[in-house]
Amino acid sequence: QVQLVQSGAAVETPGASVKVSCKASGFTFTTYYIHWVRQAPGQGLEWVGSINPDSGGTKYAQNFQGRVTMTRDTSINTAYMQLSSLRSDDTALFFCTRVVADYFDSWGQGTLVSVSS
Amino acid sequence: SYELTQSLSVSVALGQTAKITCGGNNLGTKNVHWFHQKPGQAPVLVIYRDESRPSGIPERFSGSKSGNTATLTIYGAQVGDEADYYCQVWDSGTVVFGGGTKLTVL
Repeated sequence: QVQLVQSGAAVETPGASVKVSCKASGFTFTTYYIHWVRQAPGQGLEWVGSINPDSGGTKYAQNFQGRVTMTRDTSINTAYMQLSSLRSDDTALFFCTRVVADYFDSWGQGTLVSVSS
Repeated sequence: SYELTQSLSVSVALGQTAKITCGGNNLGTKNVHWFHQKPGQAPVLVIYRDESRPSGIPERFSGSKSGNTATLTIYGAQVGDEADYYCQVWDSGTVVFGGGTKLTVL
């Protein structure tokens, strides 16, 4: 079955960077784009960006341009999202999700990133 | 940037019908997808492309769209349906989520 398993919670200080991983299984990794979504505590879902695991091509939301980098390692079917220059308001759950055609059918369990001095 | 508008909250009596709406400009030209999310969990797709139901989602969940408003209807609401519900579309190659609606089953 399709699974997306994310790395564990991270605690970072302001100004640091965090890299979250998303390991895919149960499907051909290079066939489906992987997207990342942020959810601040008590808030809604916010799109961060996407990566084409086949080409490595990326597209980022304007709010994250310049701070986010998405990469992938096709040898281990894993996508990564790195967010730099962390601020306290980056404290959030980050989800990876797979898009099939135009809808998100499977999601990772979420990774809590806490930013605190 | 494109925006989707959802009511903050909707309440429904146990066993009754709940309607959650999502509004947006030119929504009629876009495919609308719906997710529910329980606290601490990942979102779950409940309706895709306006009205299609993924396998495993009960028939009680129904989607429709008219003009600039999409509606998620939950028939016979159950306590287990209490969750946040989000609509989502694509706009100019980017993903847009509605602000979310908290469904309470009384």
